[in-house]
Amino acid sequence: GNSVTQMEGPVTLSEEAFLTINCTYTATGYPSLFWYVQYPGEGLQLLLKATKADDKGSNKGFEATYRKETTSFHLEKGSVQVSDSAVYFCALSDHNTNAGKSTFGDGTTLTVKP
Amino acid sequence: NAGVTQTPKFRILKIGQSMTLQCAQDMNHNYMYWYRQDPGMGLKLIYYSVGAGITDKGEVPNGYNVSRSTTEDFPLRLELAAPSQTSVYFCASSYGGTAGYTFGSGTRLTVV
Repeated sequence: GNSVTQMEGPVTLSEEAFLTINCTYTATGYPSLFWYVQYPGEGLQLLLKATKADDKGSNKGFEATYRKETTSFHLEKGSVQVSDSAVYFCALSDHNTNAGKSTFGDGTTLTVKP
Repeated sequence: NAGVTQTPKFRILKIGQSMTLQCAQDMNHNYMYWYRQDPGMGLKLIYYSVGAGITDKGEVPNGYNVSRSTTEDFPLRLELAAPSQTSVYFCASSYGGTAGYTFGSGTRLTVV
């Protein structure tokens, strides 16, 4: 079956540091890949996505590239801010076979200190 | 533009009680989902629906039930609440696999 493995947290960075959160996946078909962000007390929000190999998703300074050869979709940001403190979830959706159901990683908690 | 609306936001139930978690979306999405999120864990799929009148089980359906009589509404029913059902419940909707999900703000349920 499908699975998503995320870098274990928590991750603590100083403001303006470089961020990488690793995500690898296993899927039987040709999945779309997503990063979601969850701020305290809120639901998940779609941050970015990529639907085919070598696509780069980007939003709010965050980027991730769909790497089929390494089955990875690592999240990066060049300079984090305190407001980026949140939980980040990697997810995949094998839309060809699974009614659009998504499989989520366990989440990585990011804390950014001033 | 409300998106996905969940009610209630918080609820405390006693063991053996029942309740319905409400979910409504105004985006005309065909696909709707219920997930639970336990502390430090990812999301586990409880039930999903691909359209009005069609529902199916996810990974962890035991103790829950759903219905989908309209495109907009997808309520989740808990029968005979147990402490293991203490969790945060999220409803989500989507156009389809490449579009990603729109989530509600969640219902925090405690069973005591």
